[in-house]
Amino acid sequence: NAGVTQTPKFQVLKTGQSMTLQCAQDMNHEYMSWYRQDPGMGLRLIHYSVGAGITDQGEVPNGYNVSRSTTEDFPLRLLSAAPSQTSVYFCATKKGAEAFFGQGTRLTVV
Amino acid sequence: GQQLNQSPQSMFIQEGEDVSMNCTSSSIFNTWLWYKQDPGEGPVLLIALYKAGELTSNGRLTAQFGITRKDSFLNISASIPSDVGIYFCAGLTGNQFYFGTGTSLTVIP
Repeated sequence: NAGVTQTPKFQVLKTGQSMTLQCAQDMNHEYMSWYRQDPGMGLRLIHYSVGAGITDQGEVPNGYNVSRSTTEDFPLRLLSAAPSQTSVYFCATKKGAEAFFGQGTRLTVV
Repeated sequence: GQQLNQSPQSMFIQEGEDVSMNCTSSSIFNTWLWYKQDPGEGPVLLIALYKAGELTSNGRLTAQFGITRKDSFLNISASIPSDVGIYFCAGLTGNQFYFGTGTSLTVIP
């Protein structure tokens, strides 16, 4: 079972560039979410989706867009990368009270 | 957003020692969870707590859901080198998790 798969694992962007972080799951979970992890700040929710066609903002949504056209995929788009978006990004699904995380994407914006 | 304060921020212990960490919140949660993150990986669920006062064990790990529903603690007994990692508490409200800032654990053989 693949679970939650994130690509790429590492990425370096220049300020102003755009990119999409991919997240795919094979567990048929309705709920998917994106977090960023920064030192000393834990995991903060960026955007989430409770099902295909439905998305909503989390705690830190500015500078990020999401869409959910299928149950399986939940891409995160950075429209114009900024150094403040340097972070480790985690995609997660949820079933009951348990969150299932991908391995993360380490993004550096220079 | 809701803030979870986790302490200590980091711990360096000798193999075989017991470890204790806790998490407090300004808000009430109906579910508390503890996750472990290994280097280069995503967090993995260790223990879930569903009722105030509940004490739950998973092997050498024991966690409790505080009576006020605003706190939780995690104990690890007889630590081993593979316990190394970052431990996160999380409170669950509806569909949203709120994570603590993490406790980094280093076990010295």
